[in-house]
Amino acid sequence: DAGVIQSPRHEVTEMGQEVTLRCKPISGHNSLFWYRQTMMRGLELLIYFNNNVPIDDSGMPEDRFSAKMPNASFSTLKIQPSEPRDSAVYFCASSWGQQGRQPQHFGDGTRLSIL
Amino acid sequence: GDSVTQMEGPVTLSEEAFLTINCTYTATGYPSLFWYVQYPGEGLQLLLKATKADDKGSNKGFEATYRKETTSFHLEKGSVQVSDSAVYFCALSTNAGGTSYGKLTFGQGTILTVHP
Repeated sequence: DAGVIQSPRHEVTEMGQEVTLRCKPISGHNSLFWYRQTMMRGLELLIYFNNNVPIDDSGMPEDRFSAKMPNASFSTLKIQPSEPRDSAVYFCASSWGQQGRQPQHFGDGTRLSIL
Repeated sequence: GDSVTQMEGPVTLSEEAFLTINCTYTATGYPSLFWYVQYPGEGLQLLLKATKADDKGSNKGFEATYRKETTSFHLEKGSVQVSDSAVYFCALSTNAGGTSYGKLTFGQGTILTVHP
């Protein structure tokens, strides 16, 4: 079975450029989560969706970050303009159900470096 | 609010040693509890879970028992291998209000290194 698919796996770009990270959740899953992981701050939840609707974006660090989920099989996380402090590994995860008993399934992440 | 506290790492063991990583939680309602493992350069993988009190989750020789009276979910393995070297995360999901959408609250992670 295909797991959560993220692209690109690695992204290196210069400060000020727009960055778009992509995620394809597992088919049939109805919740999607975006995380950021750094050595300093650990694993942070940025935003999550249920049935394509954003539920909680309180973890989005600032207005430079935006996320969309136009349909059940695709989501994007965009940073514009990017800054060096945005360098991190970004994970997407998906799950199904609303009762919280089902685990989240993670992608392999996008390693983002902003120069 | 909900929170998860893991024992501080890093933890360094010799191969075949016994492993315990402590995890305690604070939550409203009746949480489900999870252990995730992250190998270098990879995403988090579900290791085991328990959804109600006294449940024992187990996988790959790892075990954890949901203890409601002590609000704990400690991870154990009787004999660790070098290949178990990874970061381990304890997490919970609550069903507050009937719809949690599967949101997880994670502990800070514990780095485990196993030497031959």
